[in-house]
Amino acid sequence: IQLTQSPSSLSASVGDRVTITCRASQGISSHLAWYQQKPGKAPKLLIYVASTLQSGVPSRFSGRGSGTDFTLTISSLQPEDFATYYCQQLNSYPSFGGGTKVEIK
Amino acid sequence: EVQLVESGGGLVKPGGSLRLSCAASGFTFSSYTMNWVRQAPGKGLEWVSSISTTSTYIYYADSVKGRFTISRDNAKDSLYLQMNSLRAEDTAVYYCARGLAVSGTAGDYWGQGTLVTVSS
Repeated sequence: IQLTQSPSSLSASVGDRVTITCRASQGISSHLAWYQQKPGKAPKLLIYVASTLQSGVPSRFSGRGSGTDFTLTISSLQPEDFATYYCQQLNSYPSFGGGTKVEIK
Repeated sequence: EVQLVESGGGLVKPGGSLRLSCAASGFTFSSYTMNWVRQAPGKGLEWVSSISTTSTYIYYADSVKGRFTISRDNAKDSLYLQMNSLRAEDTAVYYCARGLAVSGTAGDYWGQGTLVTVSS
């Protein structure tokens, strides 16, 4: 299963609402997770089963979707949110999207 | 506190072998699916392999099938990745990740990673 993220990068300002899209090549129900990764660090789980917020993750992060189309939204971008975001489909042979780099405008 | 600490990375020649280890602490290791995920320099994440709690279910990415072997020792709270016939394209940081209870292939805790460099 191929995952296509868009955009591959974006520039935004603190306080902006940001939405990242992940499209699967075939239906995956709600079996999708989102991660945040900062340079030189391991990925951090944000959301799983498409919309469930991982413990400790701020509520400005939200996920939606099912089937083939999914979104990650950051309602009000904070300085610590500038990072690369990945989606991952969670079947027995999981795969990741190509990533979306969120940069400061 | 959940901790995952990888070790065993290094420089190896093409065709060589390496064994990675991941030492787990702070949770009941035998109750969780475990995963290896890698990241080539400057590239995205790539899932490598997963192993269920009792090693009954094991999965590999096509890119490593037949060359890599995942295993675990629940008595030692340790995860392993035996890597044979290494290629330049296997150069990456290798992370071990604990699988979520509700979805074993989603990693809720990750190690700091260990760098494997395959070069002559």
